[in-house]
Amino acid sequence: DQQVKQNSPSLSVQEGRISILNCDYTNSMFDYFLWYKKYPAEGPTFLISISSIKDKNEDGRFTVFLNKSAKHLSLHIVPSQPGDSAVYFCAATITSGTYKYIFGTGTRLKVLA
Amino acid sequence: GAVVSQHPSWVICKSGTSVKIECRSLDFQATTMFWYRQFPKQSLMLMATSNEGSKATYEQGVEKDKFLINHASLTLSTLTVTSAHPEDSSFYICSARDWVSSYNEQFFGPGTRLTVL
Repeated sequence: DQQVKQNSPSLSVQEGRISILNCDYTNSMFDYFLWYKKYPAEGPTFLISISSIKDKNEDGRFTVFLNKSAKHLSLHIVPSQPGDSAVYFCAATITSGTYKYIFGTGTRLKVLA
Repeated sequence: GAVVSQHPSWVICKSGTSVKIECRSLDFQATTMFWYRQFPKQSLMLMATSNEGSKATYEQGVEKDKFLINHASLTLSTLTVTSAHPEDSSFYICSARDWVSSYNEQFFGPGTRLTVL
């Protein structure tokens, strides 16, 4: 049972435009969400996170939106840069538990120059 | 700060041998460490959670006798793949959590590529 899903396995965006990566979850107990960027054969790099008490968090070019009623979150990257090309994973956790992360299936972003 | 290292970065072994992977938190004390594995083009799947000084908690479907986890100190956790077989070939990633400075965040190591011949 995949509790965290990223339905788009890949996304191509022109440099300078907005990249929108989506993530859906099924467990309403999740109360903290994170986005990670990952290159092949490397560990994930933290990008941005959001608590369930918020609906938006912004950090530079990265903004995460959370829609709890829809159990949906999205990562916006504006403007997109070629260096953003990587696989992006969303992750969810329950902060009152063991804090283990459940990762989504990943979306490969390619930013075209 | 918050650096996690893994050793080795890659290893090739013969079927039937055991392989040990180390995960170290270099500049903080990790009360909890997590082990993940990732198959090509797939998600990171949590294998187990280990707390310093206690037994690891394994996720459903992960054989605890095959994947031995030891978290003997606040800066070191080890994963031993016993009697490795080709199907154990994967990318293994650890992460560490520091209760004090990063309440909700895990810091990930660079990963270890295991190839079993």
